[in-house]
Amino acid sequence: NAGVTQTPKFRILKIGQSMTLQCTQDMNHNYMYWYRQDPGMGLKLIYYSVGAGITDKGEVPNGYNVSRSTTEDFPLRLELAAPSQTSVYFCASSYYGTSGTSTDTQYFGPGTRLTVL
Amino acid sequence: KNQVEQSPQSLIILEGKNCTLQCNYTVSPFSNLRWYKQDTGRGPVSLTIMTFSENTKSNGRYTATLDADTKQSSLHITASQLSDSASYICVVTNTGGFKTIFGAGTRLFVKA
Repeated sequence: NAGVTQTPKFRILKIGQSMTLQCTQDMNHNYMYWYRQDPGMGLKLIYYSVGAGITDKGEVPNGYNVSRSTTEDFPLRLELAAPSQTSVYFCASSYYGTSGTSTDTQYFGPGTRLTVL
Repeated sequence: KNQVEQSPQSLIILEGKNCTLQCNYTVSPFSNLRWYKQDTGRGPVSLTIMTFSENTKSNGRYTATLDADTKQSSLHITASQLSDSASYICVVTNTGGFKTIFGAGTRLFVKA
């Protein structure tokens, strides 16, 4: 298994440009997440998905959009890039069972380092 | 407010020495607590996970403890190695609602 893969690894955008960060997992996980990590700060949840066709906002969703058309893919879209979106973006996935108690472990991709100038 | 605070912010130790990292949380109601290791330029990797009823969990040289009454956890690293140099992140999830809070991490430097 490749696990969670993200592309690109690095990207520089100009203010107002748009881009899509790609995320794919091959572990048949039902849950997928997008986080951003700013220097010296904890990861912040942007969006998450509990299955294909279902997405929901996390803690910091403004300026981003997601879609989940398949179990494997969970792209993150930035429509009008702003300097405040300069960050490292991590995609993660997990399997959430139906036993009632969540002990799911999130598996993270290698990250995408985005700079908006 | 749901928060996870870690200390120290950074730590330098000599190879072979032990160290303990701390995590205090106010996330409620509590579901589970996880410790992740994040190497520079990489995504976090899970080390341990503990639920309410567990008070210790080991993974090789890593031992995590949990005191659900005082809402504190620690990660003890035994006989440190250069490869232990990384950030260690404490993550707490609540029950019911889908809420996972990440601590800012402790940056550990192990020197030869």
